[in-house]
Amino acid sequence: EPEVTQTPSHQVTQMGQEVILRCVPISNHLYFYWYRQILGQKVEFLVSFYNNEISEKSEIFDDQFSVERPDGSNFTLKIRSTKLEDSAMYFCASRGLAGELGYETQYFGPGTRLLVL
Amino acid sequence: ILNVEQSPQSLHVQEGDSTNFTCSFPSSNFYALHWYRWETAKSPEALFVMTLNGDEKKKGRISATLNTKEGYSYLYIKGSQPEDSATYLCALRDSSYKLIFGSGTRLLVRP
Repeated sequence: EPEVTQTPSHQVTQMGQEVILRCVPISNHLYFYWYRQILGQKVEFLVSFYNNEISEKSEIFDDQFSVERPDGSNFTLKIRSTKLEDSAMYFCASRGLAGELGYETQYFGPGTRLLVL
Repeated sequence: ILNVEQSPQSLHVQEGDSTNFTCSFPSSNFYALHWYRWETAKSPEALFVMTLNGDEKKKGRISATLNTKEGYSYLYIKGSQPEDSATYLCALRDSSYKLIFGSGTRLLVRP
């Protein structure tokens, strides 16, 4: 069964460093998302992406964040200069053509746990 | 602004018990309600998508209902098994297709 994959599963970085989180969405999907969950808090929306551009972004998604679909298969989230408060589990999701649960469903990857020291 | 609350926060049951948890929302201004099952270190797994008041969905021993007029959805698990242990997430989908999540219910089923 097709699935969303994410790498790395864990990343530890120093404050101020750049990180790139990678996702491979389901191949025939057209809509892509990043969410994150800070420990003890709700999963929260960061950004949605369609047709090679950002559709919507949350207040969290400031100039330090960027997304890219560089090669038609990967979908990346870059944080330019990480802060302590960026420590969280980052989830990628994709949505597209009808599947078992239809066009509506977002399929999630297993997440990347980012720890900023 | 959509808000989603889930209760209880956590639940411990014995194998074989049936259980249910609640997702509540003060506003019905959403387009779909999603239930996900999330086991640690795995991808959240989509269980159900519901859109209409009175919707009922079933998948094996798990079922869900939606009442938009009174602002809640219930998830039921019949005859809980240890493999049902997971966090169950409820999310509302807004007009732009982003999901707004509740805090989840963590279920532990003891053998």
